Amino acid sequence: SQQGEEDPQALSIQEGENATMNCSYKTSINNLQWYRQNSGRGLVHLILIRSNEREKHSGRLRVTLDTSKKSSSLLITASRAADTASYFCATVSLGNQFYFGTGTSLTVIP
Amino acid sequence: DTGVSQNPRHKITKRGQNVTFRCDPISEHNRLYWYRQTLGQGPEFLTYFQNEAQLEKSRLLSDRFSAERPKGSFSTLEIQRTEQGDSAMYLCASSLAVWTETYEQYFGPGTRLTVT
Repeated sequence: SQQGEEDPQALSIQEGENATMNCSYKTSINNLQWYRQNSGRGLVHLILIRSNEREKHSGRLRVTLDTSKKSSSLLITASRAADTASYFCATVSLGNQFYFGTGTSLTVIP
Repeated sequence: DTGVSQNPRHKITKRGQNVTFRCDPISEHNRLYWYRQTLGQGPEFLTYFQNEAQLEKSRLLSDRFSAERPKGSFSTLEIQRTEQGDSAMYLCASSLAVWTETYEQYFGPGTRLTVT
């Protein structure tokens, strides 16, 4: 089974609002990564956070990692219609294998 | 365009036929991964290579699945005796790995397989 599990499964917000997605995982990790996928397309890497980091920013993205709770969150601020996509967390195990969650489907309404 | 290419983009085949997909990674990347993705799910890891060495293949879905990366450059994924349950998107990704550090993956557009 996949290790990462995102919550919520689906999220619908108005343009300009913030969107928060959560990811929980089960075992020790090397790092955790977030990806975005537009419908019918390949995945695009957004941000990587290492196991010894607690928070990272990239543009309108903010990622947190709590290794004691085995959880991460992705915050997208000031959302835009173009942010509509599925978002996946991927944990990288100590053995360098990637485990993707089932994803959060984000809809940003203009 | 991430720089990772996959061919073909679409493949329709009849049950029982063999199919082969090709992935050309970013040239500087030493790691290459194969995934399967079905509708509404995240990518499911199948196998990966570091250069030409296949480091993990226990998660290939069955012995009908095999992958090669003969010269550490492009890779092929073969499915023998296809079944309708093999219908899915097959994704390839490449990344750079240095010692124990694994960096982000760059995904290709995928090959959509339909088994009739």
